[in-house]
Amino acid sequence: AQRVTQPEKLLSVFKGAPVELKCNYSYSGSPELFWYVQYSRQRLQLLLRHISRESIKGFTADLNKGETSFHLKKPFAQEEDSAMYYCALLNRDDKIIFGKGTRLHILP
Amino acid sequence: DVKVTQSSRYLVKRTGEKVFLECVQDMDHENMFWYRQDPGLGLRLIYFSYDVKMKEKGDIPEGYSVSREKKERFSLILESASTNQTSMYLCASSLGTRWTEAFFGQGTRLTVV
Repeated sequence: AQRVTQPEKLLSVFKGAPVELKCNYSYSGSPELFWYVQYSRQRLQLLLRHISRESIKGFTADLNKGETSFHLKKPFAQEEDSAMYYCALLNRDDKIIFGKGTRLHILP
Repeated sequence: DVKVTQSSRYLVKRTGEKVFLECVQDMDHENMFWYRQDPGLGLRLIYFSYDVKMKEKGDIPEGYSVSREKKERFSLILESASTNQTSMYLCASSLGTRWTEAFFGQGTRLTVV
């Protein structure tokens, strides 16, 4: 079965502290994995994709095939990082499968 | 700028009404999607279209149908709206290539009373 699991519904982190949003996937084959973000009153948008291997807004995500994980990390949280984050998998039929999302709340 | 535009931001409909949600994209994307977004449930795929007149059921197609007569337009139809279809509906489009990102509309919040 193709599945994306985000175990945390809500994550509260103090400003300046490290952030890690967890994502695990189930997929046979090489996965195409993404993180999407939705800020308050804005549309859902791409944050990063694993093939890019770049840092976006200070966030990085590393694919760990052994653990079937794609956790999103940032060393120092900022208040503007407060948002809803979705991990997503693009399957070979072009369908995008989303996790249930994690709401990140940055505490001042 | 890629634009995915949903025809309504807010809709209130009565139980039993036929409801049309319209979505238009201007980037000549092959793929279009309809999701519903509910707290705690994330985004669930209702229907997917990879070409004009082509459609595939997603995870929760019951009570919905879709229409794609033109490449840029993808309509979601609630044949007989029910209160459990009250939700935020998101339309998205993407190119049919590897690593392609999806572009989302602003969403339609539908309330069925």
